[in-house]
Amino acid sequence: DIQMTQSPSSVSASVGDRVTITCRASQGISSWLAWYQQKPGKAPKLLIFTSSSLQSGVPSRFSGSGSGTEFTLTISYLQPDDFATYYCQQYNTYPWTFGQGTKVEIK
Amino acid sequence: ELQLVESGGGLVQPGGSLRLSCAASGFTVSNNDMTWVRQAPGRGLEWVSVFDNYGNAIYADSVKARFTISRDNFKNTLDLQMNRLRAGDTAVYYCARRLGYGYGLDVWGQGTTVIVSS
Repeated sequence: DIQMTQSPSSVSASVGDRVTITCRASQGISSWLAWYQQKPGKAPKLLIFTSSSLQSGVPSRFSGSGSGTEFTLTISYLQPDDFATYYCQQYNTYPWTFGQGTKVEIK
Repeated sequence: ELQLVESGGGLVQPGGSLRLSCAASGFTVSNNDMTWVRQAPGRGLEWVSVFDNYGNAIYADSVKARFTISRDNFKNTLDLQMNRLRAGDTAVYYCARRLGYGYGLDVWGQGTTVIVSS
């Protein structure tokens, strides 16, 4: 199975900050990577697919990059609504696997 | 509006069975890849199974031979039959849609809770 490792596990940030989350795959997955945002008690929400494609309706302050084994999610100007947990997911190979999550907390 | 609504969760004893259902509206399940993802209490997301638009059913090793995913084209639903349940299957179960190869999971249900306990 492909292991997905996110870093950091948590980050404290302020409104207006730039936040970058990294996701590393244990083997190459081309660009078959998605990012999700999840708030407590809610279902995940798709932000980015194929590494860098912004899902319809998602604010442009979210961006993704990378290919192969290293990927990043950047929130360019953190807003109050962005405090949540973020997950990466590879769908290059079954079983699909998720990273362990990165919690973005208010500083 | 695109919507998924799960049902069928509950409390079941170890070794028991449960059937989850996911009703879709605003789109046709047979034209998409439909998947189940679960989340144990306080834990991250774990992919469980997918029924792709070609009719292929694929499972995570942790549920293979115990869970069966199926699709009812008339009811426009996705089901998950769960047998020989274990404490480790306790989780919120989400169904989700993927438009097709290359896309992410863009429509999610609200989740249904399965608790396996004696």
